[in-house]
Amino acid sequence: DTGVSQNPRHKITKRGQNVTFRCDPISEHNRLYWYRQTLGQGPEFLTYFQNEAQLEKSRLLSDRFSAERPKGSFSTLEIQRTEQGDSAMYLCASSLASGTYEQYFGPGTRLTVT
Amino acid sequence: RKEVEQDPGPFNVPEGATVAFNCTYSNSASQSFFWYRQDCRKEPKLLMSVYSSGNEDGRFTAQLNRASQYISLLIRDSKLSDSATYLCVVNPLTGGFKTIFGAGTRLFVKA
Repeated sequence: DTGVSQNPRHKITKRGQNVTFRCDPISEHNRLYWYRQTLGQGPEFLTYFQNEAQLEKSRLLSDRFSAERPKGSFSTLEIQRTEQGDSAMYLCASSLASGTYEQYFGPGTRLTVT
Repeated sequence: RKEVEQDPGPFNVPEGATVAFNCTYSNSASQSFFWYRQDCRKEPKLLMSVYSSGNEDGRFTAQLNRASQYISLLIRDSKLSDSATYLCVVNPLTGGFKTIFGAGTRLFVKA
């Protein structure tokens, strides 16, 4: 399967713990995006990378959130000191940096903070 | 006003019906537009890009009206398998790539 992959698929953590999610994009895609989705809402943009450079961050991305893409391939999203409000589906997508910029999504990581 | 607005529905239609969804966007500088479908507890999947001249893919037709700042999706001859949430997506290429998703329109196609 050469699609976008995300790990873990599910994560349950206690409030105050740190969590880290991983995303592996489609291999030839140099753009990578992170989104958060809660029930009944569309995905909300968090941040995006072109190669290893983080080019845009949403105001939703508080200081407790950090994302990296160290070698321009896979990316990690870390949430420090998790809060119950962080419970959501975290989606990763990738695209080419040309053409119509169509984004292809991974299956997501569902985070539950207890 | 939300940047991208959709009628949340749900739309309940019988098999074989034609159904249309509209989506309005607030940023007149928006450059690219898409429709995605999302099944329950799954990731969004690209349905089609929306081009200025309109485009068709089988039973699906997408239209863009820049003057009125809306896009539409028409589904003809609805199938049970079309039941899903349809997400309108707007991408303002100028100033970055903060892709904006609508909240989605739920469609139920019944036998």
